[in-house]
Amino acid sequence: SQTIHQWPATLVQPVGSPLSLECTVEGTSNPNLYWYRQAAGRGLQLLFYSVGIGQISSEVPQNLSASRPQDRQFILSSKKLLLSDSGFYLCAWSSDSNSPLHFGNGTRLTVT
Amino acid sequence: GQQLNQSPQSMFIQEGEDVSMNCTSSSIFNTWLWYKQDPGEGPVLLIALYKAGELTSNGRLTAQFGITRKDSFLNISASIPSDVGIYFCAGQLNDMRFGAGTRLTVKP
Repeated sequence: SQTIHQWPATLVQPVGSPLSLECTVEGTSNPNLYWYRQAAGRGLQLLFYSVGIGQISSEVPQNLSASRPQDRQFILSSKKLLLSDSGFYLCAWSSDSNSPLHFGNGTRLTVT
Repeated sequence: GQQLNQSPQSMFIQEGEDVSMNCTSSSIFNTWLWYKQDPGEGPVLLIALYKAGELTSNGRLTAQFGITRKDSFLNISASIPSDVGIYFCAGQLNDMRFGAGTRLTVKP
């Protein structure tokens, strides 16, 4: 069966520091991969999605970036964190654009 | 892009009561999905609906894909304390759009 792993679970970083969140999927090939942010336990905002290695689409301009160095690995990065980057970051995968998304357990990021 | 209107925003109910929430859109979707998110965790898929008019149950949960393809509802019967969480609807047509969520509180 397919599983999705996201780490770390929680992270406290100072303003201006870099960020790297990792997500890996097991048990499937060539998945669509997604990064979402959720503020204050409410709505889900799509940040990036990828339909293949090296293919990244950005939904919201910001100081975050994403990369997909391997088929089942998706990384969310920032060179310099802002206070406004605090939130709950969720990675998700789907078989294709018409299949349900399956989410990881999220990373709680606090920028101080 | 398509906007989803999910209501109610929050619900406070007594254990044993039934719950109903819905999502509407100005655009049509090919798929409607319902997710539940427990505190501090990622959303988990509850029910997926693929056909207009489809009515699907998963235990105490029942969801329907509206006949116009622009709406969906989720019912929870005989609520229990572990039903607490945020419920999200999602509509899918090439990409996926999420509602803002319904926060459910169940009082024992």
